[in-house]
Amino acid sequence: EDQVTQSPEALRLQEGESSSLNCSYTVSGLRGLFWYRQDPGKGPEFLFTLYSAGEEKEKERLKATLTKKESFLHITAPKPEDSATYLCAVTGGSNYKLTFGKGTLLTVNP
Amino acid sequence: DGGITQSPKYLFRKEGQNVTLSCEQNLNHDAMYWYRQDPGQGLRLIYYSQIVNDFQKGDIAEGYSVSREKKESFPLTVTSAQKNPTAFYLCASSILFPPGTNEKLFFGSGTQLSVL
Repeated sequence: EDQVTQSPEALRLQEGESSSLNCSYTVSGLRGLFWYRQDPGKGPEFLFTLYSAGEEKEKERLKATLTKKESFLHITAPKPEDSATYLCAVTGGSNYKLTFGKGTLLTVNP
Repeated sequence: DGGITQSPKYLFRKEGQNVTLSCEQNLNHDAMYWYRQDPGQGLRLIYYSQIVNDFQKGDIAEGYSVSREKKESFPLTVTSAQKNPTAFYLCASSILFPPGTNEKLFFGSGTQLSVL
């Protein structure tokens, strides 16, 4: 059974203080690892898809990386508007569905 | 703009009552999904549909029912058999099924269901 563990559960940063969120996964034959951003009371918004170890993708202050066991979402010089819950999900093998982690609640204080 | 519309935003259910959550998409996607989100929990799949007039149970289908009579619509009914229905419900779609191979899920804005 696919498993996704995100850490930390919550992270509080000062504006400009860079950090990383972790997503550890167990899946047979990774087909894709996804990062989503979710604002309170709204649906998740797609950020990145990573397919193979060593792959990296960037969008503004966010950079996602992937190894064979985990993915990191690096946040460089965050701003208060980056505050949200960040969700990680994987799909692999013949499994048709996405398995989601519980998310990391990021709060960036001005 | 293309997207997924869920309604209502908030819904209240009385004991013994069935309620229906609406999900409409204008993205021309074949596949649609319903997820349940509880505080501090990952999203869990309730039902999914690969194509019109076809749908399959997900991990937590008991107490729920769906229909897929039109490509753009995938309503979810929470029946009285669902004893703990309070949650945030998310509808999603993808171009094809299964997702994850060079594509992604698009989500609606969700419906918060509470029990009176």
